[in-house]
Amino acid sequence: GDSVTQMEGPVTLSEEAFLTINCTYTATGYPSLFWYVQYPGEGLQLLLKATKADDKGSNKGFEATYRKETTSFHLEKGSVQVSDSAVYFCALGSFQKLVFGTGTRLLVSP
Amino acid sequence: DAGVIQSPRHEVTEMGQEVTLRCKPISGHNSLFWYRQTMMRGLELLIYFNNNVPIDDSGMPEDRFSAKMPNASFSTLKIQPSEPRDSAVYFCASTRIEADTQYFGPGTRLTVL
Repeated sequence: GDSVTQMEGPVTLSEEAFLTINCTYTATGYPSLFWYVQYPGEGLQLLLKATKADDKGSNKGFEATYRKETTSFHLEKGSVQVSDSAVYFCALGSFQKLVFGTGTRLLVSP
Repeated sequence: DAGVIQSPRHEVTEMGQEVTLRCKPISGHNSLFWYRQTMMRGLELLIYFNNNVPIDDSGMPEDRFSAKMPNASFSTLKIQPSEPRDSAVYFCASTRIEADTQYFGPGTRLTVL
């Protein structure tokens, strides 16, 4: 079945550091790919998405490119802020259903 | 615009009791999802509805769990009887059937003692 694998956390960075959170997927067909973010005590919010190969999703300085050849959708940000501290979930969507990775906690210190 | 509304936000109950979680989707959305989040298993899809009709309930863990959607603006997830292993955060999400982005509620944190 479809699955998503993302890097274990926590990822601990200093403010203004470069961020990469790796995500790979296994899927039949051509899924859409998503990054969701969860702040403490809240539900998940869509951060960005890409619907086909080579698409780049971007939002709030975060970017991820749908790489079909490597079945990856890595999340990047050039300069993280303390306010980016949260749990990030990679997900794939197919036939209305979302399959989530286990989440990666990001901690950014001043 | 109001987002997805869930109630209660926190629920503490004793083993064996019935628990009912409630969800109001975003107005105009016709697809609704129930998820469970635990440390051990992450986020799991339990069931989803299109136009108030259950489409896939393969994620419902066992017969103790049931979900209903009597109208377009309300859904319930019921656990009867509850067990300590049901302790988790339960999320409701909604979207339009033709869309791919789901909008999540704030969740209900359930603790079964």
